[in-house]
Amino acid sequence: AQSVTQLDSHVSVSEGTPVLLRCNYSSSYSPSLFWYVQHPNKGLQLLLKYTSAATLVKGINGFEAEFKKSETSFHLTKPSAHMSDAAEYFCVVSDQKGSSNTGKLIFGQGTTLQVKP
Amino acid sequence: DGGITQSPKYLFRKEGQNVTLSCEQNLNHDAMYWYRQDPGQGLRLIYYSQIVNDFQKGDIAEGYSVSREKKESFPLTVTSAQKNPTAFYLCASSTGQGLIADTQYFGPGTRLTVL
Repeated sequence: AQSVTQLDSHVSVSEGTPVLLRCNYSSSYSPSLFWYVQHPNKGLQLLLKYTSAATLVKGINGFEAEFKKSETSFHLTKPSAHMSDAAEYFCVVSDQKGSSNTGKLIFGQGTTLQVKP
Repeated sequence: DGGITQSPKYLFRKEGQNVTLSCEQNLNHDAMYWYRQDPGQGLRLIYYSQIVNDFQKGDIAEGYSVSREKKESFPLTVTSAQKNPTAFYLCASSTGQGLIADTQYFGPGTRLTVL
């Protein structure tokens, strides 16, 4: 069965410093992986998506993530944090039955990013 | 503007009452989903529908019901049988399942509070 683990429930950085949000996944086949962001009392917005093309995926707002199969990781990074990046971030893996996608997604527990001035 | 709308944004309900949350999309997506979000937790799937007039239970369907009579609409009813309904409810849609997992697009959510 597929699963995803976000290794930090809360990350705090200073404005202008790098951001690293860690995610490990478990999947029997080549998964699709996503990062979503949620600002308070809002819906989720897609940051980026990995679907077995390039292992380094660039997303919106300067975020990127690298798929590392050997480490079963899909960590999210940004070189320089902005105050507007403060939000909840979810790592997500596609649910699979055999080698086919079911259409469902499996969400991590979320990481709260705090950005200090 | 294409997107997903959910109404109302805030909803209050007395214990023992059923309540229906609206979700509409104009993205021409086949698949629609309902999730529940509780503080400090990820999203949990309640129900999903991959085509009109068909839907499946997700991981926490007890106490909820849905219908999918139109492609654009996927209302969720929270019944009095749901023991702890206070939560943030999110609706999503996608083009449908395939070899590569679809991106799900989310609405703004409805916050339900049971008084």
